[in-house]
Amino acid sequence: EAGVTQSPTHLIKTRGQQVTLRCSPISGHTSVYWYQQALGLGLQFLLWYDEGEERNRGNFPPRFSGRQFPNYSSELNVNALELEDSALYLCASSLDRAETQYFGPGTRLLVL
Amino acid sequence: DAKTTQPPSMDCAEGRAANLPCNHSTISGNEYVYWYRQIHSQGPQYIIHGLKNNETNEMASLIITEDRKSSTLILPHATLRDTAVYYCIVRAWGLGGTSYGKLTFGQGTILTVHP
Repeated sequence: EAGVTQSPTHLIKTRGQQVTLRCSPISGHTSVYWYQQALGLGLQFLLWYDEGEERNRGNFPPRFSGRQFPNYSSELNVNALELEDSALYLCASSLDRAETQYFGPGTRLLVL
Repeated sequence: DAKTTQPPSMDCAEGRAANLPCNHSTISGNEYVYWYRQIHSQGPQYIIHGLKNNETNEMASLIITEDRKSSTLILPHATLRDTAVYYCIVRAWGLGGTSYGKLTFGQGTILTVHP
């Protein structure tokens, strides 16, 4: 069974640009979570989508947003990129909202 | 979610058991103990979780004390590929609240397995 997949694997952007990251959950999983792992800051919860709705949001500014599609895949959008947005962005999925989260390999974003 | 405390680093010889402790003294009745590990620059890998009974799977064993205030993850025969950061996370399965749905990662324990 395929795990969580994310694209792209690596991305380089410049300050002020916008970026879209994509995540496909494990087949049958309906919940998708986004986390940011910036250097020296650890893993921080960003967003949680379940059944197409945003269910919870971490302490991030509104320029971080996303959505979940009817097939349960998800996008994370970051507008007006700042240097400190450089990080590994991780997507996880779970079978249901209370179940174990399984992580993808991440997208490494570098903002210059 | 309850806070967890883990030693920052541990060493283990290859082939020996690695015992990673976690303190979660403020854990409440509906909170589970989860363990994940992260090998350098990869996504975290789920290992095991439990509520109050000891658990075992193909990767590891989880021993939770009777008062549930601490737990130990046991890798029975550590290999070099087990070198990683290990995270102990306490997570409620209840509904609602600002912590709903999210995993709160601490700094974890860096486990280094030596030949």
